[in-house]
Amino acid sequence: AQSVSQHNHHVILSEAASLELGCNYSYGGTVNLFWYVQYPGQHLQLLLKYFSGDPLVKGIKGFEAEFIKSKFSFNLRKPSVQWSDTAEYFCAVNARTGFQKLVFGTGTRLLVSP
Amino acid sequence: GAGVSQSPSNKVTEKGKDVELRCDPISGHTALYWYRQSLGQGLEFLIYFQGNSAPDKSGLPSDRFSAERTGGSVSTLTIQRTQQEDSAVYLCASSPHWAAGELFFGEGSRLTVL
Repeated sequence: AQSVSQHNHHVILSEAASLELGCNYSYGGTVNLFWYVQYPGQHLQLLLKYFSGDPLVKGIKGFEAEFIKSKFSFNLRKPSVQWSDTAEYFCAVNARTGFQKLVFGTGTRLLVSP
Repeated sequence: GAGVSQSPSNKVTEKGKDVELRCDPISGHTALYWYRQSLGQGLEFLIYFQGNSAPDKSGLPSDRFSAERTGGSVSTLTIQRTQQEDSAVYLCASSPHWAAGELFFGEGSRLTVL
């Protein structure tokens, strides 16, 4: 079964700082990878996804993530964060074989100070 | 409505009582998930329905938890003899088959067991 590890549980940054949130997964086969975001008081929503092709994917609000197959990683990046990026970020994975459940990491709480 | 609808949004119950949480997925979505979100625990997978296939119940924490999905649409999560540790936000999500893994979440049902 697949599993996901997010190493940073809490991250505090100042506005304009660069962001990188780590995500590693454990699964021997082919996977789909996702980052979801939950803004304060809002429901979870998709930030970006990787199914196949270019391993560097771009999502909403200037976020991007890079799939490095050899490292089983899918780190989330943003060159310059804004106060409005304060949220909880979840990495998720599902196996591409058949129709598999989506497994989430434990999340990273990002606080951006103005 | 256009999104995933969950009810009730808030439920306060006494220890030992049974509760039912309802999820109305997006019309046409064949996959339906229940997750539990507790403080500091991230998203815990509970159960997954996909079309007419047998549900994946591997995440249900005990036999006090059960879920059904009637007619391939509405789902009910039932917790019998609630315990204080069941207090959490219960999230429902649905997904169209053709976008495997891209989940659309509801607002959640916050359960408090006194």
